[in-house]
Amino acid sequence: QLQLQESGPGLVKPSETLSLTCTVSGGSIRSSSYYWGWIRQPPGKGLEWIGSIYYSGSTYYNPSLKSRVTISVDTSKNQFSLKLSSLTAADTAVYYCARLPGLGPAKYMDVWGKGATVTVSS
Amino acid sequence: QSVLTQPPSVSAAPGQKVTISCSGSSSNIGNNYVSWYQQLPGTAPKLLIYENHQRPSGIPDQFSGSKSDTSATLDITGLQTGDDADYYCGTWDSSLSSWVFGGGTKLTVL
Repeated sequence: QLQLQESGPGLVKPSETLSLTCTVSGGSIRSSSYYWGWIRQPPGKGLEWIGSIYYSGSTYYNPSLKSRVTISVDTSKNQFSLKLSSLTAADTAVYYCARLPGLGPAKYMDVWGKGATVTVSS
Repeated sequence: QSVLTQPPSVSAAPGQKVTISCSGSSSNIGNNYVSWYQQLPGTAPKLLIYENHQRPSGIPDQFSGSKSDTSATLDITGLQTGDDADYYCGTWDSSLSSWVFGGGTKLTVL
């Protein structure tokens, strides 16, 4: 069945850029029926949607993060990626990638990765 | 402060029923589908309900969802200790042009 796996550094310095990759297995990221997205969860807090991307490269971002976020897709590797710049301690969180059925920026998230813990600290 | 309002916590005894509310506005719940997620301790969220009341394959009918105007509700019947988890509602907000989650509700099965 479809599986998503996040990968990337667990520790990043303040002011630097976070880069995470989500590898999709058991299915194609080129499916016309899905968007792919990133969601994060700071320690002890709730969920926050970061953004979503279609295999064609069409993106939607959370307005509160839009100036710092870039989401891209590599269909040849069946992966999509997140870059978040100008990091502060407030960006410390577990970052999840997920599949979003339907056309449009976000209808719901039906398959989630296990999450990648990212700590922003010098 | 979350755009969608959920009670921080609810509790009930095993075998009982609990209701978790999610309150929003016309720009989100009022005009878009609601989904619900269960997050067991230390794990990723799991989809419980989509499009207000639909259950994904494998989700028992113990879980049910509904929506009325600008509020949504998740009902959980026949509570078991394994249902101890955080529950989140979510939907698209057309005014914000952003997906929004509720603040989450911690369910304790006493």
